Amino acid sequence: GAGVSQSPRYKVAKRGQDVALRCDPISGHVSLFWYQQALGQGPEFLTYFQNEAQLDKSGLPSDRFFAERPEGSVSTLKIQRTQQEDSAVYLCASSPDAYEQYFGPGTRLTVT
Amino acid sequence: GQQLNQSPQSMFIQEGEDVSMNCTSSSIFNTWLWYKQDPGEGPVLLIALYKAGELTSNGRLTAQFGITRKDSFLNISASIPSDVGIYFCAGLISGSARQLTFGSGTQLTVLP
Repeated sequence: GAGVSQSPRYKVAKRGQDVALRCDPISGHVSLFWYQQALGQGPEFLTYFQNEAQLDKSGLPSDRFFAERPEGSVSTLKIQRTQQEDSAVYLCASSPDAYEQYFGPGTRLTVT
Repeated sequence: GQQLNQSPQSMFIQEGEDVSMNCTSSSIFNTWLWYKQDPGEGPVLLIALYKAGELTSNGRLTAQFGITRKDSFLNISASIPSDVGIYFCAGLISGSARQLTFGSGTQLTVLP
């Protein structure tokens, strides 16, 4: 079956622009996660949804980061007023049970 | 926050050799996951471990959940060129937390 998909795969934004990153999870997966991966590092947790409820947003680095999953399926990660330090790969993962997490290909964000 | 120490950071091996890498933590984890990430792609789940002492295989891959619940290792037998990539360990703490904590990765290069 189809895996997790993310779009766009690459995004270049000028500093100060807003961006929106989309995640389509595996059909039927209740849990959805967003992670940020800096170059040469492992992914770091940003936020977690169970269905449409955002149960944990402790990893969001600032109030410029906002995530939503209004119908419990597709999720959007929005970054307002992007800064250079926001440049990273943003990974989405979904899970049927919040244990085994399956990742999408990621969106590489470059802020110039 | 929790940290996972993954070693070695990089490995260069000859095709056909066996490989071993490990992760240690000062915290107890209730689930250990091993992922492989190729350039430009998201991490792919290789093996999941749920019980202390558990030994699980997936083809040429074998992983173990340490008895102390603070460590895990991954072995790859008879390496082949397509084993090249970055291997990450990831741990999950039980309870309300659902986010994975990742190691910093082991870069594996297989020489022909």
